[in-house]
Order: sequence, then C-alpha cells, then structure tokens
Amino acid sequence: DQQVKQNSPSLSVQEGRISILNCDYTNSMFDYFLWYKKYPAEGPTFLISISSIKDKNEDGRFTVFLNKSAKHLSLHIVPSQPGDSAVYFCAASGAGGTSYGKLTFGQGTILTVHP
Amino acid sequence: GAGVSQSPSNKVTEKGKDVELRCDPISGHTALYWYRQSLGQGLEFLIYFQGNSAPDKSGLPSDRFSAERTGGSVSTLTIQRTQQEDSAVYLCASSRRTGGNQPQHFGDGTRLSIL
Repeated sequence: DQQVKQNSPSLSVQEGRISILNCDYTNSMFDYFLWYKKYPAEGPTFLISISSIKDKNEDGRFTVFLNKSAKHLSLHIVPSQPGDSAVYFCAASGAGGTSYGKLTFGQGTILTVHP
Repeated sequence: GAGVSQSPSNKVTEKGKDVELRCDPISGHTALYWYRQSLGQGLEFLIYFQGNSAPDKSGLPSDRFSAERTGGSVSTLTIQRTQQEDSAVYLCASSRRTGGNQPQHFGDGTRLSIL
C-alpha cells in the first residue's frame, strides 16, 4: 500500500519555463508535507515544506501547493534552471498514529531541465 | 562540518557477514532516523530515535537489523548475517525534534553491496 505516490517517473522542461511536480497521498493522518531534491551519490536535500493548515508556501523560485480535499500537492519551480535537474521526492508525516515522526516518501520524479 | 555525517560511504561485504553503519547527526538535533533506498525504489523508513524515548523500530525488515544511539548523539545501524537483498543505500537523517513540522536533514548515505 503506497501512501504517497508520484505518478510521473520523469519530467522534461525547457530552461526558463515552469516545472510542475505532482504528488498524491492517501493517509488522512498526514499533516506535514515536504519536497526533497536528490543528486546522484548524495543524500536528499530539503527544499520546502507545507503544513496542512496552509494551502501554499513560497520560497524563492519554489512554491508548494496543497489541496487537502483532493489529497494532492504540487511543487512549482519558476523559472527552471539546468541546475534544478535532479530527482525530486515528495514526503509526508503525521501528527499521530503510525505516521508520527517518520517520513513516508513517494517514488521520486526525475526532472531534466534543458538549456 | 555542519551536516549529517555517515561512514563508511561505501561498504562491500560477503553474504553472511555482519556490518555496522555509523551516523553522526547535526549537533543539537534530538531526533535521528534511518532509511534505506533499494535500487529503483523510494526511501523506506527503518527506525527513529527521539531523545531518551524508546525508539520506533516499526520499519526494521527483520530481527537481523538493529540500531542503537549512544549518548543521544551518534547512532550505529547493525545488520547481522547479511543477505543479498540487504544491498541498498542506507541514509541517516536528523531533526531538531520529532514531529512539530521539523524537516529532516539527510547525510549522503552508505552504499552497501552484499556479494
């Protein structure tokens, strides 16, 4: 039972355009959502997060949107840069129960930004 | 350094041997987590420690896996009688505390290969 899903294994975008990465979840106990970026042979790097009490959080070029009713979140990168090329993981944790503390990750989306 | 440090970065061993993986969390972080990423898979939670509380071991795949955290800082993940399916990248993360919307910060991992 995969509680966090990233249905697009890969995404290709032109430099300067918007990249939109999507994530769906099934566990209604999740209340904190994060995006991580991962380069080969490195650990995931924290990018941005959002609490379930919000529907948008912005940090520079990165914006995360949360739609609780649809159990869907997305990461927007504007403008996209070649250095953004990496694997992006969506993750979630909960306020209680078995989801407390630990992160549940999606399978990742490989983003390629072409110059 | 200011980040999470893991050692060794790579470990190759024969099936049936025991291995120990080490994690030094960020100074002042009271929560420490272990995850693993098998080839082509997302990150899978193994165990976490929060202060002096009993660890959450719910993600450990078998009793061959164990972990300890000494003095509330350094952690060691031990795999006994290794099997080929244990081959993966083992990632450690730390956060200021568990829950409370605290992002987890990851090390670069230990790539474990079982021959």
